[in-house]
Amino acid sequence: EDKVVQSPLSLVVHEGDTVTLNCSYEVTNFRSLLWYKQEKKAPTFLFMLTSSGIEKKSGRLSSILDKKELFSILNITATQTGDSAIYLCAVESNAGNMLTFGGGTRLMVKP
Amino acid sequence: KAGVTQTPRYLIKTRGQQVTLSCSPISGHRSVSWYQQTPGQGLQFLFEYFSETQRNKGNFPGRFSGRQFSNSRSEMNVSTLELGDSALYLCASSLRSGSGNTIYFGEGSWLTVV
Repeated sequence: EDKVVQSPLSLVVHEGDTVTLNCSYEVTNFRSLLWYKQEKKAPTFLFMLTSSGIEKKSGRLSSILDKKELFSILNITATQTGDSAIYLCAVESNAGNMLTFGGGTRLMVKP
Repeated sequence: KAGVTQTPRYLIKTRGQQVTLSCSPISGHRSVSWYQQTPGQGLQFLFEYFSETQRNKGNFPGRFSGRQFSNSRSEMNVSTLELGDSALYLCASSLRSGSGNTIYFGEGSWLTVV
């Protein structure tokens, strides 16, 4: 059975801090890994990673995938209170758009 | 460009009733998938439709069903509702079915079963 594990479960930081969120996976037929940010509504797409070692970057957020060690990290630099959310990692492992999600990391950024 | 639209946003049903939720994907997207989100189980895949055909199905009982119409709009139905069906039901769409497609989520339908 496919499995995605995220750590830490929750994190409290202060504005300006840098955080690293972890996602490890055990899946058959890996296709891609996706990161989403969820506030009180729909998960918002952040990144899709398919190749090892290639960093994806968007503003203060960046992510990288290691297909050999089966994990990905999401970095957020200079955190802001608006970064407070649940960050979800998901892996696509079969033909078709079927995602297996991790339990999420709840990030709280204090002013 | 409009995002994924789900209706209704909130609803309350009684045990034993049935419910139908609707999803309109992003214009041009042909794949629609459904997920259930609960505090205990997190986000779990229900099923995916592409070109009116169910392509994948998650581990949910037969009370959960869905369909897709020729305009790519999709509905999911839950019959004989149980208290444990209370959840946020999320619809997601993508351009195609298969790897490498970005999957976008709607805001969800909050279902409460009493």
